[in-house]
Amino acid sequence: DSGVTQTPKHLITATGQRVTLRCSPRSGDLSVYWYQQSLDQGLQFLIQYYNGEERAKGNILERFSAQQFPDLHSELNLSSLELGDSALYFCASSTRPSEQGQITGELFFGEGSRLTVL
Amino acid sequence: AQTVTQSQPEMSVQEAETVTLSCTYDTSESDYYLFWYKQPPSRQMILVIRQEAYKQQNATENRFSVNFQKAAKSFSLKISDSQLGDAAMYFCAYRAPLLGGSEKLVFGKGTKLTVNP
Repeated sequence: DSGVTQTPKHLITATGQRVTLRCSPRSGDLSVYWYQQSLDQGLQFLIQYYNGEERAKGNILERFSAQQFPDLHSELNLSSLELGDSALYFCASSTRPSEQGQITGELFFGEGSRLTVL
Repeated sequence: AQTVTQSQPEMSVQEAETVTLSCTYDTSESDYYLFWYKQPPSRQMILVIRQEAYKQQNATENRFSVNFQKAAKSFSLKISDSQLGDAAMYFCAYRAPLLGGSEKLVFGKGTKLTVNP
């Protein structure tokens, strides 16, 4: 158990719809990352938040948006869904060494939210 | 931009044998982190091993070890005494320096490892 919680685990919806994926990071982690993994593909970085602020942006579509709340949980909103948006969406969290005094560097991943768009 | 290349889309190994998965990366940084993650059929991303670039000693974790060649920008994973449970997709990942740099992990496309009984 990585300590990162993602809901829902599975989601089936129709084209044109909007969904929200939720992520709770590990206790104490300030950074949250969202990744997309399409079928048999690697992980594509979407966006990173640190303590409520957007820190880095990757290949995130304009139809997608995210935010991190004061309690540090994060939500990824996907709108105007298309068939090609079907994928596994991972949330990950990490701890900056300046806050914890420990440099490890890895990301801790949730179990992912599998989105199927029909 | 940093890139990570895994040149072996698929590999297979006999149970109890040794297999090496290849990874190369491109960066202009001198200090960074490298990782191998395992993704079994359950799709969970599991950290296998990490290597800090400033450390010359190769990391080891039980049956897993790396061959880190900084000058060649190579980071291979060796799995000894392969077990059926090692069958998974293996991803090599790079992370820039944690202070002042982009903190995301950059992943390779993965190597699918099959373990034959």
